[in-house]
Amino acid sequence: LAKTTQPISMDSYEGQEVNITCSHNNIATNDYITWYQQFPSQGPRFIIQGYKTKVTNEVASLFIPADRKSSTLSLPRVSLSDTAVYYCLVGDLMNTGFQKLVFGTGTRLLVSP
Amino acid sequence: GAVVSQHPSWVICKSGTSVKIECRSLDFQATTMFWYRQFPKQSLMLMATSNEGSKATYEQGVEKDKFLINHASLTLSTLTVTSAHPEDSSFYICSAPTPPGQGKTEAFFGQGTRLTVV
Repeated sequence: LAKTTQPISMDSYEGQEVNITCSHNNIATNDYITWYQQFPSQGPRFIIQGYKTKVTNEVASLFIPADRKSSTLSLPRVSLSDTAVYYCLVGDLMNTGFQKLVFGTGTRLLVSP
Repeated sequence: GAVVSQHPSWVICKSGTSVKIECRSLDFQATTMFWYRQFPKQSLMLMATSNEGSKATYEQGVEKDKFLINHASLTLSTLTVTSAHPEDSSFYICSAPTPPGQGKTEAFFGQGTRLTVV
């Protein structure tokens, strides 16, 4: 699985937009990019997944440039409940081995009032 | 969406005893499940891959005789921490892949089990 690099932590305030960037310089052609969210003492929760350009769902947007060597998770108007650790992972969507997720350090987001 | 349930959510045991943690896929079949361990303020570390009907595959450095994995059915995998010691205290999490035909791939995680060995 391609190695990923994220900031260790980020701070924000309620109502702001938060962008978390992940670097994955050796991403392979078949690799997809997936982001998970984890609250304390809970299992990770799927947020969003994409291959290229932009993906948007009800909770976040994922921006992927043409070279796919990085990606940015965008959380619009964060609230206190968005305080969590966010993990970026890349892997081959079609290979069951992708489901064997290898987590990096993640980004610890703290949202303050 | 698919649901993975772990039991118990937390357990306290005495040093030297064994503890079993169950991971169930509630509304889908999972021929493969994964077990992770997470220490405070750290990321998830993959321990092993649980395969229905065959032996588990352990990651390097994980003792297979200490962390016994049994995948007896298509909906249940168990992790038994044998002869537990305080250093085994951790948060254990299981996951199962997306069932086929869903149109996307994501892993579904259990809620985790907090193990404290005293």
